[in-house]
Amino acid sequence: AQKITQTQPGMFVQEKEAVTLDCTYDTSDPSYGLFWYKQPSSGEMIFLIYQGSYDQQNATEGRYSLNFQKARKSANLVISASQLGDSAMYFCAMREGYSGGGNKLVFGAGTILRVKS
Amino acid sequence: DTAVSQTPKYLVTQMGNDKSIKCEQNLGHDTMYWYKQDSKKFLKIMFSYNNKELIINETVPNRFSPKSPDKAHLNLHINSLELGDSAVYFCASSQAERKMNTEAFFGQGTRLTVV
Repeated sequence: AQKITQTQPGMFVQEKEAVTLDCTYDTSDPSYGLFWYKQPSSGEMIFLIYQGSYDQQNATEGRYSLNFQKARKSANLVISASQLGDSAMYFCAMREGYSGGGNKLVFGAGTILRVKS
Repeated sequence: DTAVSQTPKYLVTQMGNDKSIKCEQNLGHDTMYWYKQDSKKFLKIMFSYNNKELIINETVPNRFSPKSPDKAHLNLHINSLELGDSAVYFCASSQAERKMNTEAFFGQGTRLTVV
């Protein structure tokens, strides 16, 4: 079964507007961490933001915030005030605490974001 | 200083050859990984090492053999390369096994093309 689902293969957003990238996850582990990474066309993987399963508040990092809805098992990334440099592939990932498999990050299929000027 | 560095960045080779990709991290992390990103951009873990010990082997063909001479290095050797091995291979490291809030730091990737 898919652990991480990103249902939007591609998204467009107008420069300076906000955009939400969807991510749902599947785990029976009570302890897990959720991550978002950005992969620009140059190919490197850039860590953006982290949310722990026990965190009471939604994570924020500058223009990035994570809309964490635990009961729905969703961890959507919100990018505010989009910039042209935000155009990239975005990956949602999860690390489980106690399930077998060690410390691996499991990634979703990614969403390509294009920011229009 | 590059935190996680892997070499080479590009590798073009013929089917049947044997090749290696090297990875080094200077972050003092205990855990290192190899991920494969296919042509559809899907990232899948291949191996994970913690303090030089193999922790994860995700049903990767045994033509792929990781080697960790010390906890700062995790190299990937591939024997008898096949066309389907063409992909981008990422090395990554993270602080400690089973520490939830530690992100993985990725190298810049090695684009392997088998012809």
